[in-house]
Amino acid sequence: GAVVSQHPSWVICKSGTSVKIECRSLDFQATTMFWYRQFPKQSLMLMATSNEGSKATYEQGVEKDKFLINHASLTLSTLTVTSAHPEDSSFYICSARVDGTEQFFGPGTRLTVL
Amino acid sequence: QKEVEQNSGPLSVPEGAIASLNCTYSDRVSQSFFWYRQYSGKSPELIMSIYSNGDKEDGRFTAQLNKASQYVSLLIRDSQPSDSATYLCAVRRDGQNFVFGPGTRLSVLP
Repeated sequence: GAVVSQHPSWVICKSGTSVKIECRSLDFQATTMFWYRQFPKQSLMLMATSNEGSKATYEQGVEKDKFLINHASLTLSTLTVTSAHPEDSSFYICSARVDGTEQFFGPGTRLTVL
Repeated sequence: QKEVEQNSGPLSVPEGAIASLNCTYSDRVSQSFFWYRQYSGKSPELIMSIYSNGDKEDGRFTAQLNKASQYVSLLIRDSQPSDSATYLCAVRRDGQNFVFGPGTRLSVLP
Protein backbone atom coordinates (compact mmCIF):
# COMPACT_ATOMS: atom_id res chain seq x y z
CA GLY A 1 0.00 0.00 0.00
CA ALA A 2 0.91 3.66 -0.23
CA VAL A 3 3.14 5.11 2.46
CA VAL A 4 2.21 8.15 4.51
CA SER A 5 4.59 9.59 7.07
CA GLN A 6 4.03 12.01 9.91
CA HIS A 7 6.44 14.11 11.89
CA PRO A 8 6.88 14.31 14.78
CA SER A 9 5.58 11.03 16.16
CA TRP A 10 5.09 12.63 19.55
CA VAL A 11 5.43 16.11 20.98
CA ILE A 12 5.13 17.67 24.41
CA CYS A 13 4.59 21.39 24.62
CA LYS A 14 3.63 24.04 27.11
CA SER A 15 0.17 25.55 27.19
CA GLY A 16 -0.11 28.55 24.89
CA THR A 17 2.51 27.46 22.39
CA SER A 18 1.91 26.34 18.82
CA VAL A 19 2.76 22.96 17.38
CA LYS A 20 3.17 22.02 13.71
CA ILE A 21 2.59 18.47 12.49
CA GLU A 22 3.70 17.40 9.02
CA CYS A 23 2.07 14.76 6.87
CA ARG A 24 3.83 13.48 3.76
CA SER A 25 2.87 11.03 1.06
CA LEU A 26 6.15 9.28 0.28
CA ASP A 27 5.52 7.31 -2.89
CA PHE A 28 2.51 8.98 -4.47
CA GLN A 29 0.94 12.36 -4.99
CA ALA A 30 -2.05 13.13 -2.84
CA THR A 31 -4.40 15.85 -3.98
CA THR A 32 -6.50 15.22 -0.89
CA MET A 33 -5.33 14.60 2.63
CA PHE A 34 -7.37 14.30 5.79
CA TRP A 35 -6.70 15.17 9.39
CA TYR A 36 -8.26 13.16 12.21
CA ARG A 37 -8.15 13.39 15.97
CA GLN A 38 -8.64 10.46 18.30
CA PHE A 39 -9.03 10.63 22.07
CA PRO A 40 -8.27 7.52 24.15
CA LYS A 41 -10.73 4.68 23.61
CA GLN A 42 -12.78 6.79 21.21
CA SER A 43 -13.32 6.56 17.49
CA LEU A 44 -11.65 8.62 14.80
CA MET A 45 -12.99 12.10 14.38
CA LEU A 46 -12.46 13.83 11.04
CA MET A 47 -11.25 17.37 11.62
CA ALA A 48 -10.70 18.63 8.10
CA THR A 49 -10.10 17.78 4.49
CA SER A 50 -7.00 19.30 2.98
CA ASN A 51 -6.86 19.97 -0.74
CA GLU A 52 -3.66 20.92 -2.50
CA GLY A 53 -3.66 24.54 -3.53
CA SER A 54 -6.91 25.49 -1.85
CA LYS A 55 -8.33 26.14 1.59
CA ALA A 56 -9.09 23.22 3.83
CA THR A 57 -12.65 22.18 4.52
CA TYR A 58 -13.30 21.92 8.24
CA GLU A 59 -15.86 19.71 9.92
CA GLN A 60 -18.53 21.27 12.04
CA GLY A 61 -17.26 22.25 15.46
CA VAL A 62 -13.59 22.38 14.48
CA GLU A 63 -12.08 25.85 14.88
CA LYS A 64 -10.26 26.75 11.68
CA ASP A 65 -8.33 29.53 13.39
CA LYS A 66 -7.03 27.15 15.99
CA PHE A 67 -6.19 24.25 13.70
CA LEU A 68 -4.41 25.76 10.71
CA ILE A 69 -4.03 23.46 7.73
CA ASN A 70 -1.74 24.10 4.78
CA HIS A 71 -1.49 21.77 1.80
CA ALA A 72 1.30 23.46 -0.11
CA SER A 73 2.28 20.59 -2.37
CA LEU A 74 1.00 17.27 -3.64
CA THR A 75 3.06 15.44 -1.04
CA LEU A 76 2.86 17.63 2.06
CA SER A 77 0.11 18.85 4.34
CA THR A 78 0.69 20.50 7.69
CA LEU A 79 -1.53 20.95 10.73
CA THR A 80 -0.63 23.69 13.19
CA VAL A 81 -2.30 23.66 16.57
CA THR A 82 -2.17 27.27 17.68
CA SER A 83 -2.17 28.34 21.32
CA ALA A 84 -2.43 24.75 22.43
CA HIS A 85 -4.18 23.90 25.69
CA PRO A 86 -4.30 20.67 27.68
CA GLU A 87 -7.68 19.77 26.15
CA ASP A 88 -5.95 19.67 22.75
CA SER A 89 -3.87 16.73 23.93
CA SER A 90 -4.80 13.89 21.61
CA PHE A 91 -3.62 11.54 18.89
CA TYR A 92 -3.58 13.37 15.54
CA ILE A 93 -3.60 11.21 12.44
CA CYS A 94 -3.39 12.23 8.82
CA SER A 95 -4.38 10.17 5.84
CA ALA A 96 -4.16 10.45 2.09
CA ARG A 97 -6.40 9.13 -0.60
CA VAL A 98 -4.92 7.29 -3.53
CA ASP A 99 -6.56 7.53 -6.95
CA GLY A 100 -9.84 8.54 -5.36
CA THR A 101 -10.37 5.17 -3.73
CA GLU A 102 -8.33 3.72 -0.90
CA GLN A 103 -7.21 5.84 2.01
CA PHE A 104 -3.96 5.27 3.86
CA PHE A 105 -3.08 6.60 7.28
CA GLY A 106 0.11 8.05 8.64
CA PRO A 107 1.48 6.65 11.92
CA GLY A 108 -0.02 9.48 13.97
CA THR A 109 1.33 12.18 16.25
CA ARG A 110 0.69 12.08 19.96
CA LEU A 111 0.38 15.60 21.32
CA THR A 112 0.61 16.30 25.03
CA VAL A 113 0.04 19.85 26.20
CA LEU A 114 1.21 20.59 29.72
CA GLN B 1 -29.50 6.48 12.89
CA LYS B 2 -25.73 6.63 12.62
CA GLU B 3 -24.29 6.37 9.14
CA VAL B 4 -22.04 3.40 9.91
CA GLU B 5 -22.73 1.15 12.86
CA GLN B 6 -20.61 -1.52 14.47
CA ASN B 7 -20.91 -3.46 17.69
CA SER B 8 -18.33 -1.91 20.00
CA GLY B 9 -17.50 -5.24 21.62
CA PRO B 10 -15.32 -6.49 23.00
CA LEU B 11 -15.71 -9.58 20.90
CA SER B 12 -13.77 -12.40 22.45
CA VAL B 13 -12.86 -15.53 20.52
CA PRO B 14 -10.49 -18.36 21.35
CA GLU B 15 -7.29 -18.76 19.37
CA GLY B 16 -7.89 -20.70 16.17
CA ALA B 17 -11.58 -19.81 15.95
CA ILE B 18 -13.30 -17.68 13.33
CA ALA B 19 -13.92 -14.08 14.32
CA SER B 20 -16.91 -12.44 12.65
CA LEU B 21 -17.12 -8.65 12.60
CA ASN B 22 -20.21 -6.88 11.32
CA CYS B 23 -20.98 -3.44 9.98
CA THR B 24 -24.18 -1.84 8.72
CA TYR B 25 -24.50 1.43 6.86
CA SER B 26 -27.36 3.75 6.11
CA ASP B 27 -26.41 5.37 2.77
CA ARG B 28 -27.88 3.05 0.19
CA VAL B 29 -25.76 4.45 -2.65
CA SER B 30 -22.45 3.75 -0.92
CA GLN B 31 -20.09 2.11 -3.34
CA SER B 32 -16.80 1.41 -1.58
CA PHE B 33 -16.25 -0.47 1.63
CA PHE B 34 -13.13 -0.90 3.70
CA TRP B 35 -11.90 -2.65 6.80
CA TYR B 36 -9.11 -1.18 8.87
CA ARG B 37 -7.29 -2.67 11.84
CA GLN B 38 -6.08 -0.39 14.62
CA TYR B 39 -3.81 -1.60 17.36
CA SER B 40 -3.88 0.30 20.63
CA GLY B 41 -1.86 3.48 20.34
CA LYS B 42 -1.33 3.07 16.61
CA SER B 43 -3.01 4.47 13.52
CA PRO B 44 -5.44 2.44 11.37
CA GLU B 45 -4.07 0.04 8.79
CA LEU B 46 -6.04 -0.93 5.69
CA ILE B 47 -6.59 -4.68 5.52
CA MET B 48 -9.41 -5.16 3.00
CA SER B 49 -11.44 -3.25 0.46
CA ILE B 50 -14.54 -4.53 -1.31
CA TYR B 51 -16.64 -2.91 -3.98
CA SER B 52 -19.09 -5.52 -5.27
CA ASN B 53 -21.54 -7.93 -3.68
CA GLY B 54 -20.20 -11.26 -2.51
CA ASP B 55 -17.05 -12.45 -0.84
CA LYS B 56 -13.47 -11.31 -1.22
CA GLU B 57 -10.72 -13.38 0.33
CA ASP B 58 -7.18 -12.36 1.24
CA GLY B 59 -5.26 -14.87 3.30
CA ARG B 60 -7.08 -15.45 6.57
CA PHE B 61 -9.41 -12.51 5.93
CA THR B 62 -12.70 -12.61 4.04
CA ALA B 63 -14.83 -9.55 3.45
CA GLN B 64 -18.49 -10.05 2.63
CA LEU B 65 -20.72 -7.40 1.11
CA ASN B 66 -24.49 -7.40 0.73
CA LYS B 67 -25.64 -4.07 -0.67
CA ALA B 68 -29.30 -5.01 -0.60
CA SER B 69 -29.08 -5.51 3.15
CA GLN B 70 -26.56 -2.66 3.56
CA TYR B 71 -24.27 -4.96 5.41
CA VAL B 72 -20.56 -5.66 5.23
CA SER B 73 -18.66 -8.14 7.36
CA LEU B 74 -15.13 -9.31 7.98
CA LEU B 75 -14.28 -12.90 8.85
CA ILE B 76 -10.91 -13.76 10.33
CA ARG B 77 -10.10 -17.46 10.13
CA ASP B 78 -7.68 -19.18 12.49
CA SER B 79 -7.68 -16.14 14.77
CA GLN B 80 -4.39 -15.37 16.48
CA PRO B 81 -3.67 -13.30 19.59
CA SER B 82 -1.91 -10.85 17.26
CA ASP B 83 -5.30 -10.18 15.64
CA SER B 84 -6.47 -8.55 18.87
CA ALA B 85 -7.20 -4.97 17.88
CA THR B 86 -10.02 -2.61 17.04
CA TYR B 87 -11.50 -3.14 13.58
CA LEU B 88 -12.94 -0.13 11.81
CA CYS B 89 -15.46 -0.33 9.01
CA ALA B 90 -15.41 2.53 6.49
CA VAL B 91 -17.92 3.33 3.79
CA ARG B 92 -17.63 5.72 0.90
CA ARG B 93 -19.94 7.11 -1.70
CA ASP B 94 -18.36 8.38 -4.91
CA GLY B 95 -17.25 11.96 -4.50
CA GLN B 96 -17.69 11.86 -0.75
CA ASN B 97 -15.35 11.35 2.16
CA PHE B 98 -14.98 8.10 4.02
CA VAL B 99 -17.39 7.55 6.89
CA PHE B 100 -15.92 5.42 9.66
CA GLY B 101 -17.78 3.29 12.11
CA PRO B 102 -16.91 3.43 15.81
CA GLY B 103 -14.96 0.18 15.61
CA THR B 104 -15.27 -3.27 17.17
CA ARG B 105 -12.70 -4.34 19.70
CA LEU B 106 -11.59 -7.93 19.10
CA SER B 107 -9.81 -9.99 21.72
CA VAL B 108 -8.33 -13.34 20.71
CA LEU B 109 -7.70 -15.44 23.78
CA PRO B 110 -4.69 -17.80 23.76
